[in-house]
This record gives sequence, structure tokens and C-alpha cells, in this order.
Amino acid sequence: EIVLTQSPGTLSVSPGERATLSCRASQSITSNYVAWYQQRPGQAPKLLVYGADSRATGIPDRFSSSESGTHFTLTISRVEPEDSAVYYCQQYGSSPLFAFGPGTKVEI
Amino acid sequence: QVQLQESGPGLVKPSQTLSLTCTVSGGSINNGDYFWSWIRQPPGKGLEWIGYIYNTGNTYYNPSLKSRVTILVEMSKNQFSLTLTSVTATDTAVYYCARAPVGLSSYFDHWGQGALVTVSS
Repeated sequence: EIVLTQSPGTLSVSPGERATLSCRASQSITSNYVAWYQQRPGQAPKLLVYGADSRATGIPDRFSSSESGTHFTLTISRVEPEDSAVYYCQQYGSSPLFAFGPGTKVEI
Repeated sequence: QVQLQESGPGLVKPSQTLSLTCTVSGGSINNGDYFWSWIRQPPGKGLEWIGYIYNTGNTYYNPSLKSRVTILVEMSKNQFSLTLTSVTATDTAVYYCARAPVGLSSYFDHWGQGALVTVSS
């Protein structure tokens, strides 16, 4: 069974700063099978980035993703106050077929 | 723009069966380009994928829940449903329905607003 680990648990940043969120997989997967979501309090998760580095409709280019082996990164280049949320990575294709990481809380 | 909406009882007694329905609007559930999934989130915790159904009726469940889960589709109503048997307090969660495109890469591009189900006597 694949396990996704996200770090840090909580990330405190100031507006305009760069935020780097990490997701590590317990076994080899490719970035084509990784997606990132943003969840604000009381809301459903919202798709941000999927595949190698494709942004969902309406997502600003401040959000980008990258891969290095089993290490995946979501970068918010210039954090804005509305980016305060929990961010989840998700993989597709291993067992279970869809799996989520535990999340990183971003505090602005 | 496709929209998904969960509905069902908000309170279920321990050992009983949880049942939820997801109604899809703005698109056909018979579209073979998508998986239709259920995902849950216990209060204050992370996301857990429960399973999906395809327009053929084929299903795929999370092994951790497979023995207790059934997902069905009702094309005429553009709905799909979730039943979870023998529930306990650990099944208390917000239950989301979501759509995922079929392909080499898949992800959840549209979500319902979620339905809180509490398991308590």
C-alpha cells in the first residue's frame, strides 16, 4: 500500500513570500499521477494542479508543482492572504487506487 | 458546469447502514470519460477515498473499506449512491462525492459540498 507523507505539518508565511510544500511517496510514482488540492475551512477541496504541472481552470500561475524521484513539491510563488488553507497531495494508480497525503496547513 | 450534491441522513446509529446519494447536474453521469467517486473526511482529519463507479456499473473500492461498501448508479436520475454497512463512530465524517476523469492520470476536478454523517446512538 502506498503512503504519502507531507511536510511540514504547518507552514507560516508572510504575504508575498514563497511557500514550498513537500509530498513524499513510499514507492515510486511519476508526477503524471500526482495532484494537489486546496481546502479552506468549511469547504470542499479544490483541485489546483494535476499531471506533470497542469493548473486547473481558474488557478493562478502562482501555483506550480515539480517532481524529483518520489518527492513532489507544490510551490506558491507569492503567497496571498486567501491562500490560507490546508493543502493535500493525491496519487493515482497504486493501491489504494487514489490516496491522499495528510495535508499541510498554510498560515498567512 | 457540472455540479454534484450529496443528500441523505445526517445521523446513523452504530451497527446500522449509512446511505447517501449524489445527484449530478450540468452533465451526464453516463459520460464514459469519468469515474464517479465517494471520498470522506473525519472531523479535523484528512481525506480518504472510498471508491468509484463507472458508467458501465463497474466499481472499484478502497481495500480498507471494500467489505462494507457498495456504490451503485441510477442513470435515469443522473445519480449514484453509497451504502456503508455496520457503521461505528469511526465512520463519522463529511462524505463528498466527486468526479475524476478517466485516463493515465486521474484526479478529482469537481466535488460536492459534502454531507456530514454522524454515527451515534
